Amino acid sequence: SYDLTQPPSVSVSPGQTASITCSGDNLGDKFSSWYQQKAGQSPVLVIYEDTKRPSGIPERVSGANSGNTATLTIRGTQAMDEADYYCQAWDSGTAVFGGGTKLTVL
Amino acid sequence: QVQLQESGPGLVKPSETLSLTCAVSGDSITNYYWGWVRQSPGKGLQWIGYIYYIGSTNYNPSLKSRVTISVDTSKNQFSLSLNSVTTADTAVYYCVRIWGGNTRFDPWGQGTLVTVSS
Repeated sequence: SYDLTQPPSVSVSPGQTASITCSGDNLGDKFSSWYQQKAGQSPVLVIYEDTKRPSGIPERVSGANSGNTATLTIRGTQAMDEADYYCQAWDSGTAVFGGGTKLTVL
Repeated sequence: QVQLQESGPGLVKPSETLSLTCAVSGDSITNYYWGWVRQSPGKGLQWIGYIYYIGSTNYNPSLKSRVTISVDTSKNQFSLSLNSVTTADTAVYYCVRIWGGNTRFDPWGQGTLVTVSS
């Protein structure tokens, strides 16, 4: 089965840049998506097709995908960005999620 | 704006069948793929499967033997059935819209907690 690996946690100071990685075999050959899940809420799509932002997602949120790693970058991190983030891709018709990364804004 | 609302029993006994329904409003169920994702308490997300309005389905291989997803276009809703449940199936179950059947999950329902316990 296909696996996506994320770091369990990332910490960032307010106003700084947070980067969350997602690793998988030849992930760059697939489209990746990212979801933000705040405590007690449903996940929300923040990046799809590697780099695209749904309406309502600020420009300071961006994505990239190349080689074996997809990266979610949040510039000018704010307290409201504190959440769990999940990457997701499709492999052989099966949707796979990463284990999630808890972003803490210190 | 499309909205999804899950409904169903919050408590299921071991070995019985978990049944949930997702009501779709604000969009026709014939326009997209629709699926289910679950999240065990304190854990990550697991895709369960999806359905297209004509009835074609695709399931997570790890759950395929126990899962059935069906659609009712007249009611603009779709359903999940998971049989022979164990305590490992205790989770929040989300219904989702899936674009193209192989891209993004957006939006998500509010989720419903199903506990498997005797």
